[in-house]
Formats: sequence, structure tokens, C-alpha cells
Amino acid sequence: EPEVTQTPSHQVTQMGQEVILRCVPISNHLYFYWYRQILGQKVEFLVSFYNNEISEKSEIFDDQFSVERPDGSNFTLKIRSTKLEDSAMYFCASSPRVAGRRATNEKLFFGSGTQLSVL
Amino acid sequence: GDSVTQMEGPVTLSEEACLTINCTYTATGYPSLFWYVQYPGEGLQLLLKATKADDKGSNKGFEATYRKETTSFHLEKGSVQVSDSAVYFCALMDSSYKLIFGSGTRLLVRP
Repeated sequence: EPEVTQTPSHQVTQMGQEVILRCVPISNHLYFYWYRQILGQKVEFLVSFYNNEISEKSEIFDDQFSVERPDGSNFTLKIRSTKLEDSAMYFCASSPRVAGRRATNEKLFFGSGTQLSVL
Repeated sequence: GDSVTQMEGPVTLSEEACLTINCTYTATGYPSLFWYVQYPGEGLQLLLKATKADDKGSNKGFEATYRKETTSFHLEKGSVQVSDSAVYFCALMDSSYKLIFGSGTRLLVRP
């Protein structure tokens, strides 16, 4: 069964460093997402991406964050200058999304996450 | 804005015990409701969903009923197994197909 893959599974970085979290969505999917979960807190939406553009972003997704689909298969989340409070589990998801098909559009497939620790 | 609240964990049960994990939501309109599960070392997987009031979602012995009157979507299972040990997330999907999650409830099932 096709799946969303994320690398690395764990990332440790120093405060102020740049990190790139990588995701390979399911190949025929069109919508991509990043969510995160700070330990003990809710899973939070960060950003959605379609047709090489951000379609929606949350208040969390400030200028320190960016997303990119550099080569048609990878989907990356970059944090330009990490802060201690960026430590979290980051989940990538993808969705087929077809106009007018609610049941299809409600299917999100998640990766296993990248645990980011900022020291 | 829309939100989901679910019971704190961990929930620790013996094998074959009954499980209920409470979930309530606040939303404008009538969103679809979901339970996702995360097994150790794996991603979030859809467990079940319900799309309208009084719908019952079910999968792998788990059930949840969409209760509009009480704005709830409690997860239930009559007899849990050790293999059910995982973190369970309640969620709703808003009008832009964005999931809004609860904080997750860890379930530990002991033999």
C-alpha cells in the first residue's frame, strides 16, 4: 500500500540553526500538509500546499517557516532559524483531493513524523 | 474557532476490558468527525469517521457515534487487546479540508 514517508525520524539541532524536514507524499496526491505536535499538546495544522503554492497557513507558520516541492516528489518544511519552542513532532500528510468528491477529499494520509529537538 | 477536546491520558486497562475515550467538539456547521490512531513508531492512521449526525463509524471493533445534541464523538470498544495500545486522536475537518485535532489519549492495555 502506498505510504507517505518522512525523513529523518529524529533530528537534533542547535538553536538558531536551519533545519529541513523531508517528506515524500503518495505519488498521485495533489494536496500536501504539515502538522506538528508539541509534547503533551494538540496536533496543530501548519500549512497546506497545492499546485506549488501555499493554499492555507496557520498563525504558527510565520516567516521562519517555508515549504517547497523542489523536484516533483519531495515536499519539504524548512525552519530558517530554529527556536527552543520549535521542538515538536512534525507530521507530513497528503491527500488526493478531487473536486466535488467529499469522501475522497476527507482522506489524509500521514507519515510517521519527524521528532525535532532544538537544544 | 473550531476545536476538539478529548480526555487526558494515559488510560490503562486490562485485556478484555471496556474502553471509552471521550471527545467533544465545537464547530460552526456540521463537520465530519474522525478518530485517528498512532501505533508506536508509526504515522497517524484513520481509524474511523462519521460524516453526519447519528452516523456511527466503526472499524476493528471500535465504534463512535456522531452526537449533534451533545457535540460528542466518544470512542468505544467492548473488549480491548494488548495490540490496541496506541495514542488515539479525535479530530474534525473544517470547511477547507483541514483537520483540527484533540490532544490525543494514550491507551495502555496490559495482558
